Amino acid sequence: QVQLVQSGAEVKKPGASVKVSCKASGYTFTSYYMHWVRQAPGQGLEWMGIINPSGGSTSYAQKFQGRVTMTRDTSTSTVYMELSSLRSEDTAVYYCASSSAPPPPFPPRVWGQGTTVTVSS
Amino acid sequence: EIVLTQSPGTLSLSPGERATLSCRASQSVSSSYLAWYQQKPGQAPRLLIYGASSRATGIPDRFSGSGSGTDFTLTISRLEPEDFAVYYCQQYGSSPRITFGQGTRLEIK
Repeated sequence: QVQLVQSGAEVKKPGASVKVSCKASGYTFTSYYMHWVRQAPGQGLEWMGIINPSGGSTSYAQKFQGRVTMTRDTSTSTVYMELSSLRSEDTAVYYCASSSAPPPPFPPRVWGQGTTVTVSS
Repeated sequence: EIVLTQSPGTLSLSPGERATLSCRASQSVSSSYLAWYQQKPGQAPRLLIYGASSRATGIPDRFSGSGSGTDFTLTISRLEPEDFAVYYCQQYGSSPRITFGQGTRLEIK
C-alpha cells in the first residue's frame, strides 16, 4: 500500500540545521508531488513547501525562503527537507504528504507519521 | 495568498447531534479546490473531503462538504464518538501552494 515513512526525532541547538527524510513506497515516486507541513505544539498546520520528485523543482512558502531546501533521491524514492538557522520557534512536528501531480490539482492524501524536531539550547 | 478563516474555534456537541463547521476564504477559491481534514491527537491529518464536496476514499457518508467561492461548510450529520477531533480546511487552488485554516476543535459536550 501507499506509505510514507519519515526519519526519527531530532534534537538540535539554535543556529543548527536539521534534515528530515521521507521514504515513499507503494506507488510511482515521480508521479506524485511531495509537500512538507509542520505543526508547532498545540498549533495548527503550516505549509512549508513542495517538491516535484520528477524534475526536482520546488516551491517554498515565503516565510521559509532562504532557510529551507527540499531535495529528492529518485534511486531510493526519498525526499528530504532541510531547515537551517534553527530557532526555538521551529520546534514542531514535520510531516511529508503526497498529492497527485496536476492537472488537476489534488490535496495531499497520504501523510507520513511525522518527525518531531526540538530546538533547544 | 488566500487566507482561510474557520469558525467556530471550538464546537461542543453530543454524540448523535449534527455538526456544522465553516470555512471562509479571503478571496474566491479557484474551481472549489477546497479540502477538509480531520486530525486526532498524535496522528497525522486525514483527508475527508476534496473539491469542496467529494468524499475521499473510505470516508463515511455522515461527512459532507458544500460551498463555493468564498464560503464552505463541513457537515457531520450524526456525530459518532470517534468524530471528536480537530478539523482543518485547506485550499489548493493556487497550486502548488496550499494554505490551511486555523482549525475547529470539535469536543464532546
